[in-house]
Amino acid sequence: NAGVMQNPRHLVRRRGQEARLRCSPMKGHSHVYWYRQLPEEGLKFMVYLQKENIIDESGMPKERFSAEFPKEGPSILRIQQVVRGDSAAYFCASSPPGAGENQPQHFGDGTRLSIL
Amino acid sequence: KQEVTQIPAALSVPEGENLVLNCSFTDSAIYNLQWFRQDPGKGLTSLLLIQSSQREQTSGRLNASLDKSSGRSTLYIAASQPGDSATYLCAVRTGANNLFFGTGTRLTVIP
Repeated sequence: NAGVMQNPRHLVRRRGQEARLRCSPMKGHSHVYWYRQLPEEGLKFMVYLQKENIIDESGMPKERFSAEFPKEGPSILRIQQVVRGDSAAYFCASSPPGAGENQPQHFGDGTRLSIL
Repeated sequence: KQEVTQIPAALSVPEGENLVLNCSFTDSAIYNLQWFRQDPGKGLTSLLLIQSSQREQTSGRLNASLDKSSGRSTLYIAASQPGDSATYLCAVRTGANNLFFGTGTRLTVIP
């Protein structure tokens, strides 16, 4: 049973480029969450998606960031025109359908994004 | 707004000692509380999840307690081992959508 798969594990971009981070949830899971961990800070919620729907994006920066979870394929977190402050570890978590608040979230190993 | 605090930020203990990690949260209206372990450069491994109606959960050498009314949880690790060295994160769930995390306790168990 594969866990939550994130790729790439490490991503280096220059300022102004685009970054695309991918997350495949655990088999049978239909809820996906993205978190960001800035250096020396705790994880902060960004967005919660179900298939083809953004349920809560209250933690997403208003500009340059977007997320999707299409009917087929992985969830994508997209950062346009990256800046140095976007350097962080980005974690994806998934949970099965059902009473969401009672289900544990299972995390991937993260993508470490470095902006030159 | 929910805030989660973990004390201490770092802890070093000799192998074999029992230890307690602390977590406090400001809003007691939570669904559950989850303890995670994070190894350097790795993701989060879920250790224990305590529902709001529960007082404690146990898994092997780990025991987590929850006092929702006072906004506190503790993670007790018995007979610590060098392999327990990691950062331990506490997170509370206040809705279906997301977890609020503390900044963690970095544990080092000295052989």
